[in-house]
Order: sequence, then structure tokens, then C-alpha cells
Amino acid sequence: AQTVTQSQPEMSVQEAETVTLSCTYDTSESDYYLFWYKQPPSRQMILVIRQEAYKQQNATENRFSVNFQKAAKSFSLKISDSQLGDAAMYFCASPYAGNTPLVFGKGTRLSVIA
Amino acid sequence: KAGVTQTPRYLIKTRGQQVTLSCSPISGHRSVSWYQQTPGQGLQFLFEYFSETQRNKGNFPGRFSGRQFSNSRSEMNVSTLELGDSALYLCASSLLTGSGNTIYFGEGSWLTVV
Repeated sequence: AQTVTQSQPEMSVQEAETVTLSCTYDTSESDYYLFWYKQPPSRQMILVIRQEAYKQQNATENRFSVNFQKAAKSFSLKISDSQLGDAAMYFCASPYAGNTPLVFGKGTRLSVIA
Repeated sequence: KAGVTQTPRYLIKTRGQQVTLSCSPISGHRSVSWYQQTPGQGLQFLFEYFSETQRNKGNFPGRFSGRQFSNSRSEMNVSTLELGDSALYLCASSLLTGSGNTIYFGEGSWLTVV
């Protein structure tokens, strides 16, 4: 069965500190894409970052970066200089196979403490 | 550029009724996917349409159906509503189909079944 596992249901971080959210996935593909989405209280899912599996370089978007370990099928999200606006649910997503839809993890609720 | 637009945003229905939700994708996007989000099950894939054809279907009963029009707008319909259908229904669009394409979400339609 296709699975995406986020082992931390809740995390908290002090404002301006760094936090890492974990994600492991399963896929039958050798070339694929991985995504992190953020869902704030408004409930709209917002793309945070995307990683192409064939690229060895970890993706970075401003304060957001990933640690992609292909052999371990691990895809963690690092948020640097955390801000109050980063408080949200974060979902990791991966397709199981080439043309299958994204499978989402259960999410990690991130709280940012002022 | 307008984002993904979903209507209605909120609705309340009675058990046994049916409901139709609408989704207008980002201009130029030809793929539309639907997800159901509940606290217990998380985000679950319903179906994907591309160029008016259903490309993928999730593990939902036949009461859940959808379609896509020539202008890429999509509708999903749920017949004979049950209490368990209460959820946030999220629509997402992407330029093309396939796992390499980033999907962009709308704000969702909140359905409450009483």
C-alpha cells in the first residue's frame, strides 16, 4: 500500500529558531517528485517546496529547505528563522507511481511560540 | 492570475440529499483533482480529470461522481448524503496530468450533513 508517514503529529518552535519536520514515503518509481504543503487556519493548502528525486541537490525556498535522502525514502522540511505566520498544518506528499495522484501524510501541526 | 475557485464555500445538507460542488481551475490548467479532508482520515484522493476524461479514481463509493467540462471546470456530485460525508472538499488544478506536475489548491468547500 502506498504510504506517506509523518511521525510527528505536533511540533512547536520558538520564534526565530529552526525546526525540522519529518516525512518518509514509499514509491515504486525511481524518478518522482515530492512536495510539502502548508495548511493555515484558513484551510487553503499552499505549496511550500518541491523536490525532484533525480536531483541530488536539496531544494530551498527562502527560509524553507529540505533534507532529501533518496535511499532512505526520507524527505524532511527545515524551517529557519521561524515566524508566527509559519504556524499551520504541514503535509508531506508523494505519488506512489508515475501517473498516480499525490498521497498525503497525516500532517504535522506546527506551533510557533513568541 | 486567479487561483483555483471553489463554490459554494459552505453548505449544509440533510441526510439523503445530494450535493454538487464546483471548481474552476487556474487559467490554462487542464487537470483537476478532488480530495476529501476529514479529521479522522486526513486527505483522501477522490478523482482526477484531464481533458474531460477521468484519469484516476480513489477508493470511494459510487455515490461520489465527477465530471469535467470543455473549459476545464469541474463538478463533483455526492448523492444520498450520509453523515460521514461531512468534510472539507478540496479541488486542485495543474497544468498537465502526471506526478511531476505541481497541484494548486482552492480554498475548499465545507460540507456539513445533518
